[in-house]
Amino acid sequence: AQSVAQPEDQVNVAEGNPLTVKCTYSVSGNPYLFWYVQYPNRGLQFLLKYITGDNLVKGSYGFEAEFNKSQTSFHLKKPSALVSDSALYFCALYTGRRALTFGSGTRLQVQP
Amino acid sequence: SQTIHQWPATLVQPVGSPLSLECTVEGTSNPNLYWYRQAAGRGLQLLFYSVGIGQISSEVPQNLSASRPQDRQFILSSKKLLLSDSGFYLCAWTRPSGGGYTFGSGTRLTVV
Repeated sequence: AQSVAQPEDQVNVAEGNPLTVKCTYSVSGNPYLFWYVQYPNRGLQFLLKYITGDNLVKGSYGFEAEFNKSQTSFHLKKPSALVSDSALYFCALYTGRRALTFGSGTRLQVQP
Repeated sequence: SQTIHQWPATLVQPVGSPLSLECTVEGTSNPNLYWYRQAAGRGLQLLFYSVGIGQISSEVPQNLSASRPQDRQFILSSKKLLLSDSGFYLCAWTRPSGGGYTFGSGTRLTVV
């Protein structure tokens, strides 16, 4: 079965420190992976995607993600966190049924 | 440019009442359209998707239905709402070839 998992419900980080939000996937074939961010009572906003090519993908707002095929992971990273990065982050996998399957979400809290 | 509109933003409905949520997309043709529900501010559950007028795929058997009367219009309905239908409903679209989603701003439905 094709699935995506976010093992952490919440991640806390101090402003200015690097952040990592974890995502692992399970898929037969090549994965198409995405990261989205959701601010309170808002729709999801696209951050970045991995389709093929370079394992390090750069996205919006200074975020990047590293695709690791051997570890079946696609962790979201940022070198220096901002308080305004506090939000709910979703990893998603394109399952080939014309729809994305989302992880359960990870709440990022950046403390000033 | 493409835009997606979703309304209303918030809705409070009594149990047993009908529901109609509307989503429209502008600036594109033949989009794939999706309805997701987000419960308790976390995971997203795919409810319906549509690849064309009158073509609806249901992912989860439930009290809801969807219709696509026009190319860029996607409607989520219920004849009789249940308490468990409360949640945050998100509409999204992609290009016919698939890929990343663009989400609407969401509708928060509270069934009382």
